[in-house]
Amino acid sequence: QKEVEQDPGPLSVPEGAIVSLNCTYSNSAFQYFMWYRQYSRKGPELLMYTYSSGNKEDGRFTAQVDKSSKYISLFIRDSQPSDSATYLCAPTGAAGNKLTFGGGTRVLVKP
Amino acid sequence: DARVTQTPRHKVTEMGQEVTMRCQPILGHNTVFWYRQTMMQGLELLAYFRNRAPLDDSGMPKDRFSAEMPDATLATLKIQPSEPRDSAVYFCASGLVHTGELFFGEGSRLTVL
Repeated sequence: QKEVEQDPGPLSVPEGAIVSLNCTYSNSAFQYFMWYRQYSRKGPELLMYTYSSGNKEDGRFTAQVDKSSKYISLFIRDSQPSDSATYLCAPTGAAGNKLTFGGGTRVLVKP
Repeated sequence: DARVTQTPRHKVTEMGQEVTMRCQPILGHNTVFWYRQTMMQGLELLAYFRNRAPLDDSGMPKDRFSAEMPDATLATLKIQPSEPRDSAVYFCASGLVHTGELFFGEGSRLTVL
């Protein structure tokens, strides 16, 4: 079993819908929880991150962490076709340490 | 516009040949990472450096892979000899220890025939 798991998708939604992405992990030492977005044939780019448990909102994006259940979520409100990409969760034990990536969830937002 | 630069962007080679991939991290960044991405395994960490010192290369096949940072502006990943199973996209990323954010390059797509 991998240390970080994600449903590979694809997750197909109509434009304007809410996209809900999830990630589970097994390492209790993880403290920082990153979400990266990767467009086809591009490198991943950081979308947002949270520290420890709780919620964080950034525009249309909301990240949630529940450390007690080792469960991470990312919500995208009012989804746009430009949100079509692969979303990777990447927790780590400390800032600057190596990131352990999940396999990513591919999202398709249809106009 | 600061970015991580990787060369070559594409490489096709034959089994047994040596392959060298280069990375120019963002100026001032003190961490450098090499990741490999395949459909089956996703993003796997191969090696990472902090202030040019190697911290972890446990994900790298030691018999054929080597990673170095000869100076702060250059990181290299070498495969010798290459094998078809090394076919993947290799990403370099750099960052600052205290922020944790990694900036990825565009990747080097390697095909070993």
